[in-house]
Amino acid sequence: RKEVEQDPGPFNVPEGATVAFNCTYSNSASQSFFWYRQDCRKEPKLLMSVYSSGNEDGRFTAQLNRASQYISLLIRDSKLSDSATYLCAVNYVGNQFYFGTGTSLTVIP
Amino acid sequence: GAGVSQSPSNKVTEKGKDVELRCDPISGHTALYWYRQSLGQGLEFLIYFQGNSAPDKSGLPSDRFSAERTGGSVSTLTIQRTQQEDSAVYLCASSSLWAGQETQYFGPGTRLLVL
Repeated sequence: RKEVEQDPGPFNVPEGATVAFNCTYSNSASQSFFWYRQDCRKEPKLLMSVYSSGNEDGRFTAQLNRASQYISLLIRDSKLSDSATYLCAVNYVGNQFYFGTGTSLTVIP
Repeated sequence: GAGVSQSPSNKVTEKGKDVELRCDPISGHTALYWYRQSLGQGLEFLIYFQGNSAPDKSGLPSDRFSAERTGGSVSTLTIQRTQQEDSAVYLCASSSLWAGQETQYFGPGTRLLVL
């Protein structure tokens, strides 16, 4: 079983839509959770960490559900510039990071 | 401040040649990672250095691949006798521990093409 699983998509949504991605992880010892954004032919860039109580950064909301072992990313009021691949990552201190394969999002005018 | 840097940004080589890829992590970061990403694919973990501990080499695809990290800072990934299937983007990342959480930052990658 993979450490981290993501729906690869693609998600094609109109501008202004709300879209949500989920990512499941297999190791209950995982401590840290992240969402990264990767644009075409670029490196992944940290979008936001995911905290136990959930956290928000503008139009982006991240949530963690430890009981069901998944994290989610909600994007409200989608912009064309949100088109990218979104990668989830999990880690426990002193160990390697595990990344999902990424979910492709295209926001359509 | 300076982020993770990698060199060269692009490398074209002939099958059978050796290549060296360099990574300069963010200053003070104790952990350093190498990944490989083929076009349209996810990140493939290669190797992980954490402080002075023995590296986690579990992701290296063959014994043609090796990496070292000198002085706990700069790292070099070496691919010997390159094959066409080695063509990919090689990404380096470093991480720091703060408030009980490690956060990883990526360099821009080295695009390797083996002809």
